[in-house]
Amino acid sequence: QKEVEQNSGPLSVPEGAIASLNCTYSDRVSQSFFWYRQYSGKSPELIMSIYSNGDKEDGRFTAQLNKASQYVSLLIRDSQPSDSATYLCAVATGFQKLVFGTGTRLLVSP
Amino acid sequence: EAQVTQNPRYLITVTGKKLTVTCSQNMNHEYMSWYRQDPGLGLRQIYYSMNVEVTDKGDVPEGYKVSRKEKRNFPLILESPSPNQTSLYFCASSFKRGGLEQYFGPGTRLTVT
Repeated sequence: QKEVEQNSGPLSVPEGAIASLNCTYSDRVSQSFFWYRQYSGKSPELIMSIYSNGDKEDGRFTAQLNKASQYVSLLIRDSQPSDSATYLCAVATGFQKLVFGTGTRLLVSP
Repeated sequence: EAQVTQNPRYLITVTGKKLTVTCSQNMNHEYMSWYRQDPGLGLRQIYYSMNVEVTDKGDVPEGYKVSRKEKRNFPLILESPSPNQTSLYFCASSFKRGGLEQYFGPGTRLTVT
């Protein structure tokens, strides 16, 4: 079982819709979770971090964490074509090591 | 401007010819790390450094060396590159002690023939 799993996609949504990206992880002691956005040919960019169960909102982005289910998600409201990218979930393991998922490709159509 | 820089950005080389990819950050970060990114495998950590003169292996250290003589610089050395080291390489740094919330350089695309 991979430490961090994401559906590779692509996830296709129309402009203005809500995009929901999901991630599961295997290490129960993980305490810190991150979402990175990576445009094609570019480097990953940190967009959200979440440390506690529940929701964390930042503009159009909401990160949701459920440690009991070992599940973290990212919601993007009012999706724009400029949101089209690969979204990487990263989880800090018990040894404070950052493990990345392979990413979900999001396509937002005008 | 706060940033992580890498050089070169693109490199084509031949098997066995030693090369160094430089990484520098101007944010006074203690933690620095090297990753490689391959299709279907995602980002995998090669080496990381918690501070000057402190380095440790990540998940895929074979065939790579690093050094951390100054806080701002963290070069990646391939003593004898092989075709399986053809990849996209990223350097990252973090202000957090545990190396979390990492900020990435622009990447170096390496091809070994």
